[in-house]
Amino acid sequence: AQSVTQLGSHVSVSEGALVLLRCNYSSSVPPYLFWYVQYPNQGLQLLLKYTSAATLVKGINGFEAEFKKSETSFHLTKPSAHMSDAAEYFCAVSAYSSASKIIFGSGTRLSIRP
Amino acid sequence: NAGVTQTPKFQVLKTGQSMTLQCAQDMNHNSMYWYRQDPGMGLRLIYYSASEGTTDKGEVPNGYNVSRLNKREFSLRLESAAPSQTSVYFCASSGDILPANYGYTFGSGTRLTVV
Repeated sequence: AQSVTQLGSHVSVSEGALVLLRCNYSSSVPPYLFWYVQYPNQGLQLLLKYTSAATLVKGINGFEAEFKKSETSFHLTKPSAHMSDAAEYFCAVSAYSSASKIIFGSGTRLSIRP
Repeated sequence: NAGVTQTPKFQVLKTGQSMTLQCAQDMNHNSMYWYRQDPGMGLRLIYYSASEGTTDKGEVPNGYNVSRLNKREFSLRLESAAPSQTSVYFCASSGDILPANYGYTFGSGTRLTVV
């Protein structure tokens, strides 16, 4: 079975500061990992995904995440926050299986201070 | 635009009423999913359909039924709505038989309030 834990339901950073959103996963098989972003009143949009190729994954809007097996982590970072990054971010995990589903974390709301 | 379309966008129901949430995708995807989103709980899977003609329960199926009408459409029915079903409902689809490869495409959601 797979699960994810997102540390911090709300993160606030200043514009131009580093963004770090934390995610730890649990999986009995090699995982596939995702970060999704949800802007207000919209559906979820895929930011990036890890599928066992490079451990450092680059996504849209300048975000990236690093898969660390030893720490069972997949933290999301962005070097310099922009006001438009304010949204809710979800970490998710799945197994490599045709019957597999994607399991989502509880989400982290990112606020950007001017 | 191609994608996943959900109707209605907003709905208010009285306790005990029934309704069907509609979802259609035009990407020729095989797999479709229904999630509910509640504050602090992320998205929880209600039902899914791995392919046309099949449906399976997810984490929180009680109080819901689904129909995979054809490859494009996957509906969610509340037979007797309860206040605990107040939530935002998302439909999603996946084109790969291995959903992990590409993730999901989500609709914009249906905000349901049961009073």
